[in-house]
Amino acid sequence: DIQMTQSPSSLSASVGDRVTITCRASQNISSYLNWYQQKPGKAPKLLIYGASSLQSGVPLRISGSGSGTDFTLTISSLQPEDFATYYCQQSYITSWTFGQGTKVEIK
Amino acid sequence: EVQLVQSGAEVKKPGESLKISCKGSGYSFTNYWIGWVRQMPGKGLEWMGIIYPGDSDTSYSPSFQGQVTISADKSISTAFLQWSSLRASDTAIYYCARRRDGYKGRYYFDYWGQGTLVTVSS
Repeated sequence: DIQMTQSPSSLSASVGDRVTITCRASQNISSYLNWYQQKPGKAPKLLIYGASSLQSGVPLRISGSGSGTDFTLTISSLQPEDFATYYCQQSYITSWTFGQGTKVEIK
Repeated sequence: EVQLVQSGAEVKKPGESLKISCKGSGYSFTNYWIGWVRQMPGKGLEWMGIIYPGDSDTSYSPSFQGQVTISADKSISTAFLQWSSLRASDTAIYYCARRRDGYKGRYYFDYWGQGTLVTVSS
């Protein structure tokens, strides 16, 4: 299995802050990396695919970058609706794996 | 509109069997892989396995191989996840999701079901 490690596990931020979440893969996964957002009691929602491609309908303040083993999800100006848990996920090999999640809370 | 609608919450006893479902609509069901994801209470997401309804080709995570069975009935556009003998540790929310095939095999889940809560308790 490819292990995905996110940091931090949680963070507190204010509306308007720039937030960065990192995801590291245990081996080179090129750009086979996706990001999802999950709110309490809801199914995950796709934000970014292929490391940097924005899913249709996702606001432009959200972006992804990286390749190989190190990836970043950035929210340029945190909005109230962005408080949620974020997961990275690799699709480099058939048995996909998710990171453990990063919970973004209100400061 | 693409939709994945899952069956309702279940409460079962250890040792019982269970089959939950995921019905797709608004797209060609046989042309997209459907995956299953587990979320244990208060925990993260775990990829369980995936099926191609067109020919029922299936792949499992090593962690779930032999523990569950994934199947599909393309005549009713429905995928299934089943257990032959449930354990308390199977208590979780189970999501189905549609796999989209992006550029050069960069796959991702673009649509998700609403989740099915399975509770296993004596």
